[in-house]
Amino acid sequence: DADVTQTPRNRITKTGKRIMLECSQTKGHDRMYWYRQDPGLGLRLIYYSFDVKDINKGEISDGYSVSRQAQAKFSLSLESAIPNQTALYFCATSDWGTPANTGELFFGEGSRLTVL
Amino acid sequence: QKEVEQNSGPLSVPEGAIASLNCTYSDRGSQSFFWYRQYSGKSPELIMFIYSNGDKEDGRFTAQLNKASQYVSLLIRDSQPSDSATYLCAVNDGRGTSYGKLTFGQGTILTVHP
Repeated sequence: DADVTQTPRNRITKTGKRIMLECSQTKGHDRMYWYRQDPGLGLRLIYYSFDVKDINKGEISDGYSVSRQAQAKFSLSLESAIPNQTALYFCATSDWGTPANTGELFFGEGSRLTVL
Repeated sequence: QKEVEQNSGPLSVPEGAIASLNCTYSDRGSQSFFWYRQYSGKSPELIMFIYSNGDKEDGRFTAQLNKASQYVSLLIRDSQPSDSATYLCAVNDGRGTSYGKLTFGQGTILTVHP
């Protein structure tokens, strides 16, 4: 099983619908991230959380919200989806603050969202 | 806005050649630098990270960092068709509340042809 699991892997929805993407991890990392990937734009940070009580906006947080339900769970919500939110979404954890402490991000397999 | 720029692609090299991927960053205070490889439809996977000026080698891969020039590169020696992927450069500014947050470049598509 993957250390960072995202659900759903694929989702097609309609404009105006509320969508939740879920992420769970078994790596024991405190730090979790949501990134969005669009062709030619690399990965852009939506939200990040350094622990359950610490949630921060990234560079493109408008139209999104998050919930850190536990150390292992970090969900991304689109309250009212719009077509330009069609993208590939990645959840990631980081080993900052652990004995390894390299700063490496460990990614989930991605959630492909299409908003019609 | 902190920026990370990668050389425009796509980059095409013959099998066995050296592929050179380049990345510049705008924040002089950046502390650590990462190269990820991403196959089409898959998640990024770490190839190398580098913290100090100079070269770091791991098998066929060499990362080069020049903080004065705000430049980091990745060399792939003896390129193989299996190296064909998108390569992402990522930078961590390592300060304050942003500590541990990576900023990514737009990626360079590499194709290694037989």
